[in-house]
Amino acid sequence: GDSVTQMEGPVTLSEEAFLTINCTYTATGYPSLFWYVQYPGEGLQLLLKATKADDKGSNKGFEATYRKETTSFHLEKGSVQVSDSAVYFCALKALAGNQFYFGTGTSLTVIP
Amino acid sequence: DTGVSQNPRHKITKRGQNVTFRCDPISEHNRLYWYRQTLGQGPEFLTYFQNEAQLEKSRLLSDRFSAERPKGSFSTLEIQRTEQGDSAMYLCASRRTELGNEQFFGPGTRLTVL
Repeated sequence: GDSVTQMEGPVTLSEEAFLTINCTYTATGYPSLFWYVQYPGEGLQLLLKATKADDKGSNKGFEATYRKETTSFHLEKGSVQVSDSAVYFCALKALAGNQFYFGTGTSLTVIP
Repeated sequence: DTGVSQNPRHKITKRGQNVTFRCDPISEHNRLYWYRQTLGQGPEFLTYFQNEAQLEKSRLLSDRFSAERPKGSFSTLEIQRTEQGDSAMYLCASRRTELGNEQFFGPGTRLTVL
């Protein structure tokens, strides 16, 4: 069935460091791919998305490219800030059907 | 505030009791989802509605769980005869089909079963 596997955390980085959080997926066809972020005490928010192969989603300095050949959607940011500390979830929605599948989440802590 | 709201935010109950949670989606969002999230895990799909029709239910949703969306607006999720394993965060999300696949999540209801 459809599923998402993402890098386990927790991840701790110093401010201005480069961030990569790996996400790979299993799905038939061409799913839509998402990164959601959950700040402490808040609900999940959509960070970025991509709906077809080679699309690049971007928002708030974060980027992720939909790679069909490697079934991946890795999240990157060139220079993290303390305010980026949160839990990040990779998710997919299959082309057919209406279910969304989430990864287990990766906790990021950025220290000054 | 026009976001998704959920009530209550926290619920503590004793094993065997029934509980009911409410979700108010964003106005005019035709699709409404319920998820369960346990510590260290991502949201797990439970069920979803298109307007008032419940179109899909996960196999995770035992017979003790029931959800309704009677007028296609707010939704309720009831858990009967709660068990300790039901302790989790219950999340609601909504979206409008015409606006693409973005779901908007509520803050969740945290259930603790003693």
